[in-house]
Amino acid sequence: AQSVTQPDIHITVSEGASLELRCNYSYGATPYLFWYVQSPGQGLQLLLKYFSGDTLVQGIKGFEAEFKRSQSSFNLRKPSVHWSDAAEYFCAVGAPPHQAGTALIFGKGTTLSVSS
Amino acid sequence: NAGVTQTPKFQVLKTGQSMTLQCAQDMNHNSMYWYRQDPGMGLRLIYYSASEGTTDKGEVPNGYNVSRLNKREFSLRLESAAPSQTSVYFCASRDWRGTSNTDTQYFGPGTRLTVL
Repeated sequence: AQSVTQPDIHITVSEGASLELRCNYSYGATPYLFWYVQSPGQGLQLLLKYFSGDTLVQGIKGFEAEFKRSQSSFNLRKPSVHWSDAAEYFCAVGAPPHQAGTALIFGKGTTLSVSS
Repeated sequence: NAGVTQTPKFQVLKTGQSMTLQCAQDMNHNSMYWYRQDPGMGLRLIYYSASEGTTDKGEVPNGYNVSRLNKREFSLRLESAAPSQTSVYFCASRDWRGTSNTDTQYFGPGTRLTVL
């Protein structure tokens, strides 16, 4: 069955420190992978996505993610965290674009707190 | 360009009452989705519409109905609300133009529903 696992429910990072949020997926075909961020009381905003090509993808707000097929992982990273990065982060996997109606499968999310 | 809009933003219902959540997008997207978000559960798909005139069940469709009124609008109806339907509901639309680079889901701000 298709699934996404985010092993860390809650992470606290000091401002200025580096960040890595983990994501593992189970998907029968070529995965299309996404990271979304949700600030409190807000909707979801796309940070970055991976479809093919370079396995290191750059996103908005200084985030990047690396696709590792052998580990079925798509971890999100940021070299230096800012207090405004405190939010909930969701990893998601989707079907290839030609399957137009297929929805995303989301992980349960990781809440990031930033300490000063 | 408002993106994806949802109404209402907040709603409180009594058990057994009915209501319709409205969603509209002005990006000319073919596919639209309804998700619910519960603490520790991530987002789960309720229903989706791959294109105007079609709808399909997602992971948790029981107790809900949908209508794809036209290309812009996709509504979600609760016929007889239950406390288990207390949740945050997100509508999304998908920018799919047949190429992977354009495949992105855009989310509305959400509707917070409480059923007493």
